Amino acid sequence: QQQVKQSPQSLIVQKGGISIINCAYENTAFDYFPWYQQFPGKGPALLIAIRPDVSEKKEGRFTISFNKSAKQFSLHIMDSQPGDSATYFCAASVAGNTPLVFGKGTRLSVIA
Amino acid sequence: NAGVTQTPKFQVLKTGQSMTLQCAQDMNHEYMSWYRQDPGMGLRLIHYSVGAGITDQGEVPNGYNVSRSTTEDFPLRLLSAAPSQTSVYFCASTGTGGTEAFFGQGTRLTVV
Repeated sequence: QQQVKQSPQSLIVQKGGISIINCAYENTAFDYFPWYQQFPGKGPALLIAIRPDVSEKKEGRFTISFNKSAKQFSLHIMDSQPGDSATYFCAASVAGNTPLVFGKGTRLSVIA
Repeated sequence: NAGVTQTPKFQVLKTGQSMTLQCAQDMNHEYMSWYRQDPGMGLRLIHYSVGAGITDQGEVPNGYNVSRSTTEDFPLRLLSAAPSQTSVYFCASTGTGGTEAFFGQGTRLTVV
């Protein structure tokens, strides 16, 4: 049973466009929803995270939108740049109590 | 401050050989985890530890052993390597009650 479902598997976006990656989760006990960014040959690194008490969190060009009733959350990258080309993982956990459960990842390519 | 250090970075094993993947963190984090990353499968949890002397199984524990004798170290042992264990392995650590997981650079393991 996949606890966190992520889509799409791959995404190609024009420079300056908006990249959108979606995730859905099963476990209603999850209360921490991070996005990780991974460049080739590197370990994943935290990009942005949200708790279910807010519906949106923005950090620079990166925004998480959270829909608790639908058990879905998404990452929006505004003004996408070639340097944003990476693999993005959504994840979920019960904060401080359970390990992170990851989606399968989205490979983003931003082309000029 | 090195963060999470994994060794080796690359390893080739023959089927049936054993080896230990090393993971060390210098952030005094209680929570440590091992994940494997395979194409199209995301990051899957192998084993995790909530503190010295305490370990538990994740989603894909078969074929792997762990121990946690100190807060700093969390080695992953393959007792009899199989081609199905060809993967990239990541170690991560999280502070007590914290949420952000810090990842190492990974170990790329090939079993032939």
